[in-house]
Amino acid sequence: QKEVEQNSGPLSVPEGAIASLNCTYSDRVSQSFFWYRQYSGKSPELIMSIYSNGDKEDGRFTAQLNKASQYVSLLIRDSQPSDSATYLCAVNWNGNQFYFGTGTSLTVIP
Amino acid sequence: DGGITQSPKYLFRKEGQNVTLSCEQNLNHDAMYWYRQDPGQGLRLIYYSQIVNDFQKGDIAEGYSVSREKKESFPLTVTSAQKNPTAFYLCASTPWRGREQPQHFGDGTRLSIL
Repeated sequence: QKEVEQNSGPLSVPEGAIASLNCTYSDRVSQSFFWYRQYSGKSPELIMSIYSNGDKEDGRFTAQLNKASQYVSLLIRDSQPSDSATYLCAVNWNGNQFYFGTGTSLTVIP
Repeated sequence: DGGITQSPKYLFRKEGQNVTLSCEQNLNHDAMYWYRQDPGQGLRLIYYSQIVNDFQKGDIAEGYSVSREKKESFPLTVTSAQKNPTAFYLCASTPWRGREQPQHFGDGTRLSIL
């Protein structure tokens, strides 16, 4: 059984702080990893994708992947109230199926 | 604009009724997926299709059926055998089976029981 686990939160950070979101996965042959943001009542939207070990930065977002330890994380710098949402971690196996974590709820306090 | 269109946005099902959720994409994507999301939960895969006239069951296929007669369309039927259909249903697609392609989502259909 392939599993993707996230801390459900809620995670609260003050405006301007760094938010750190973590995700672990069970299968060592996992190939690609994605972070989605989902506002309440809306569909998920892609924030970051990462495929190789290390860090990948895009604006205020940094994704970190460690395949040996089977975790992927998302850092949000200078957090804004508009970042308040649920963040979903997704893992792709063999290009066919995507498995999602249950999501971490983030609240940025003004 | 290219994208994925799901309809209707809201749907109500009566006892013993089958209902069909529409998903159309004009992104020329090969693979299409249906997910179910319950409150406070992640996405669970119902069915997926990689090519026309072929589809595979996901983790929770019981009580659901799909068809893929055209590349652009992947409708989902929620049958009367699905006893707890109330959920948010999301359709997604990817360009091809390459490992680095993310999924793109439609706006979803919210299904409730009358």
